[in-house]
Amino acid sequence: AQSVTQPDIHITVSEGASLELRCNYSYGATPYLFWYVQSPGQGLQLLLKYFSGDTLVQGIKGFEAEFKRSQSSFNLRKPSVHWSDAAEYFCAVGGDYGGSQGNLIFGKGTKLSVKP
Amino acid sequence: DTGVSQDPRHKITKRGQNVTFRCDPISEHNRLYWYRQTLGQGPEFLTYFQNEAQLEKSRLLSDRFSAERPKGSFSTLEIQRTEQGDSAMYLCASSLGRPGNTIYFGEGSWLTVV
Repeated sequence: AQSVTQPDIHITVSEGASLELRCNYSYGATPYLFWYVQSPGQGLQLLLKYFSGDTLVQGIKGFEAEFKRSQSSFNLRKPSVHWSDAAEYFCAVGGDYGGSQGNLIFGKGTKLSVKP
Repeated sequence: DTGVSQDPRHKITKRGQNVTFRCDPISEHNRLYWYRQTLGQGPEFLTYFQNEAQLEKSRLLSDRFSAERPKGSFSTLEIQRTEQGDSAMYLCASSLGRPGNTIYFGEGSWLTVV
């Protein structure tokens, strides 16, 4: 079955500290992988995406993610967190598999809190 | 603003009433998606359109739900005989036509059924 697992429901980091949010996926074909961020009561903003090629992808706001096929993972990282990064982060997988052409499967999200 | 827009942003309705949400996608996007998000969960796919054709529907889309995209531009999502379990945020998104293209989301329409 196609699925996305974000094992950490809530993470708290200090401002200026590094961040890594975990994402594991199960997908029957070559996945397209995404990270979105959602502020309270708002829609989702795309941070970055992986389709093919270089397994380390750069996104907006200083985020990056690394695709590791052997581990079925796509972890999100940021070297130095800012207070404005506090939000909920969703990992998603999609692709052309099983007749689904483009709809995304999301994880349950990781809520990030930032301590001053 | 050239993003995905949704209306209304918030709706409170009594159980048993019908509600309709509207979505205007990014103008050149031929794919339009509806997702539902409940508290503490990630968005769940409901349905999508390629132009005016509804190509896929999730099992979450019960017969009380109907979505249309009559001219391949804006879309409506109607929920008939609302139930408290329908309380959620309904997200619309759009993209260009191929798998892997970035899907852009609107701000969502919050539904509260009382």
